[in-house]
Amino acid sequence: DTEVTQTPKHLVMGMTNKKSLKCEQHMGHRAMYWYKQKAKKPPELMFVYSYEKLSINESVPSRFSPECPNSSLLNLHLHALQPEDSALYLCASSPGFGRGPSNQPQHFGDGTRLSIL
Amino acid sequence: DAKTTQPNSMESNEEEPVHLPCNHSTISGTDYIHWYRQLPSQGPEYVIHGLTSNVNNRMASLAIAEDRKSSTLILHRATLRDAAVYYCILRGPGANNLFFGTGTRLTVIP
Repeated sequence: DTEVTQTPKHLVMGMTNKKSLKCEQHMGHRAMYWYKQKAKKPPELMFVYSYEKLSINESVPSRFSPECPNSSLLNLHLHALQPEDSALYLCASSPGFGRGPSNQPQHFGDGTRLSIL
Repeated sequence: DAKTTQPNSMESNEEEPVHLPCNHSTISGTDYIHWYRQLPSQGPEYVIHGLTSNVNNRMASLAIAEDRKSSTLILHRATLRDAAVYYCILRGPGANNLFFGTGTRLTVIP
């Protein structure tokens, strides 16, 4: 069982809908991440939060809006998505920066599989 | 981030050892070598990491070449549950994210 929980597991939405993906961890980690994974491709980083503040945005379109309400939760708000945004969205966490991040494993959830109609 | 090169796919018989190679000829002295795997319909899972010395844990062993330009992930006894895509990733100092390459898809034959 994964220690990072993502909900929902599956989501189908129209291009005009607004929905949110949720991610939760209770390991006391202070860094959280969103990745996007297209079919048969490796995961690609979207956003990084460090101590509840956005530290990296990998030039993601504004129709994706991340939010970190507290150290355990990470949301990804979706609005006016395109069919090409259909993918597996993965959340991950790690202990946090300032403690040798290159030596810290990331813990991943099992993702939300998103389909845009 | 330095680039890694892995074979696209490999096969192994069940209960035999598996050696998954990774080339990283442009690795810098402070880059850690991380391995993750992704089982079907799951998120990536951390396997092992190292800097210069060989490493062992309950999942696998990591053998790092003396010049650090290559490494090998060793699964000592492959099981059907080890069928996954294995990613070799270099992480520099202060790196707060993972850059996944294309990985190696391991098939375990019963």
